Amino acid sequence: EIVLTQFPGTLSLSPGGRATLSCRASQSVPSRNLAWYQHKTDQAPRLLIYGASSRATGIPDRFSGSGSGTDFTLTISRLEAEDFAVYYCQQYGGSPVTFGQGTRLEIK
Amino acid sequence: QVQLVQSGAEVKKPWASVKVSCKTSGFTFLNYGITWVRQAPGQGLEWMGWISGYNGNTNFKPSLQGRLTMTTDTSTNTAYMELRSLRSDDTAVYYCARDTSDFWSGYQDYWGQGTLVTVSS
Repeated sequence: EIVLTQFPGTLSLSPGGRATLSCRASQSVPSRNLAWYQHKTDQAPRLLIYGASSRATGIPDRFSGSGSGTDFTLTISRLEAEDFAVYYCQQYGGSPVTFGQGTRLEIK
Repeated sequence: QVQLVQSGAEVKKPWASVKVSCKTSGFTFLNYGITWVRQAPGQGLEWMGWISGYNGNTNFKPSLQGRLTMTTDTSTNTAYMELRSLRSDDTAVYYCARDTSDFWSGYQDYWGQGTLVTVSS
């Protein structure tokens, strides 16, 4: 099983700032099969990024993904109030599919 | 538009079973899979398993194998998740989601609203 470790656990930033969220895999993720989701309380998760760097439909370009192998990054530039949420990475290249434990992005 | 509508909240006793439905619309069911994910109180997202809308093939999280069944009804474009021998740590919000792959588990682009399952004596 590929274990995903996200850091930091909590990130405190101000609107307008830039967020850098990391996701490290215990072994190489095949074919860059890594996704990022945004999750707000009492809402369904929302797909942001798939294939490590492809934005999902309707996702603003202030969200970007990068990385390969074992190290992946989600960057949110120009933070807006609606961006404060919990973010999860997910690998779907190995079986079983696994999620990281999440990074909470909170308003400073 | 793509929609996944789940059945309502359930309260179950330990050792009982629960079956959650996920009725889909707005896309060709046979071309996608359905993934089930759950979130226990205060915890993160946990992938449970996937089922192909095309042929019913499944892929489950190993720790749930033996207690978990996933099925589909292609006549109504509905997916079902049944979990047996419920324990208190199965208390969670259960989500179904459209999986972009119909031949193996992939990523999920549309999600249901979630179903709260509470296991309590």
